[in-house]
Amino acid sequence: AQTVTQSQPEMSVQEAETVTLSCTYDTSESNYYLFWYKQPPSRQMILVIRQEAYKQQNATENRFSVNFQKAAKSFSLKISDSQLGDTAMYFCALCNFNKFYFGSGTKLNVKP
Amino acid sequence: DAGVIQSPRHEVTEMGQEVTLRCKPISGHDYLFWYRQTMMRGLELLIYFNNNVPIDDSGMPEDRFSAKMPNASFSTLKIQPSEPRDSAVYFCASSLGGSMGFFGPGTRLTVL
Repeated sequence: AQTVTQSQPEMSVQEAETVTLSCTYDTSESNYYLFWYKQPPSRQMILVIRQEAYKQQNATENRFSVNFQKAAKSFSLKISDSQLGDTAMYFCALCNFNKFYFGSGTKLNVKP
Repeated sequence: DAGVIQSPRHEVTEMGQEVTLRCKPISGHDYLFWYRQTMMRGLELLIYFNNNVPIDDSGMPEDRFSAKMPNASFSTLKIQPSEPRDSAVYFCASSLGGSMGFFGPGTRLTVL
């Protein structure tokens, strides 16, 4: 079975500071992909960052980076220099054999 | 590209009525996914297509739900008859190769 767990239902961070969102997953497959999606109040699901499991190097996209620990099945998202526009729900997702499995989400509030 | 297009954006209907949700994937993408998002169950994969062929419909809740993809640029999700518990946000997503998910804006369905 494939599962994705986000243990932080809600987090807050001050503008310009750094925050880390946690995600753990479980899969018996060796080849898979991991994602972080952002869902602002508009409901749009926006792809933030993608990591291929066979790559050891952590993915980065501007202010967003991940800490991928394959042995520990951990995939955390770090947001640097937080901005008010980062306020949203963040979903961690696992993809293998073309099927996506989503965590329950972490609501991030960026405070001015 | 305009991204994944869904219509309508909002649908309010009465119990027992037929509801049809529409999706236009990103041009050139060969995978199309239908998801449902509720507070109770989070994001659930309902069905996905590869090259217009349904591959996995194990997430479709019951026979009242059906999905079609008559060509590479159009898909529908139909609920007949609709029930109040079908109220949710329905997302369509498309992908090239299956391991990426670009989501549409979603359709918020309310069944009274």
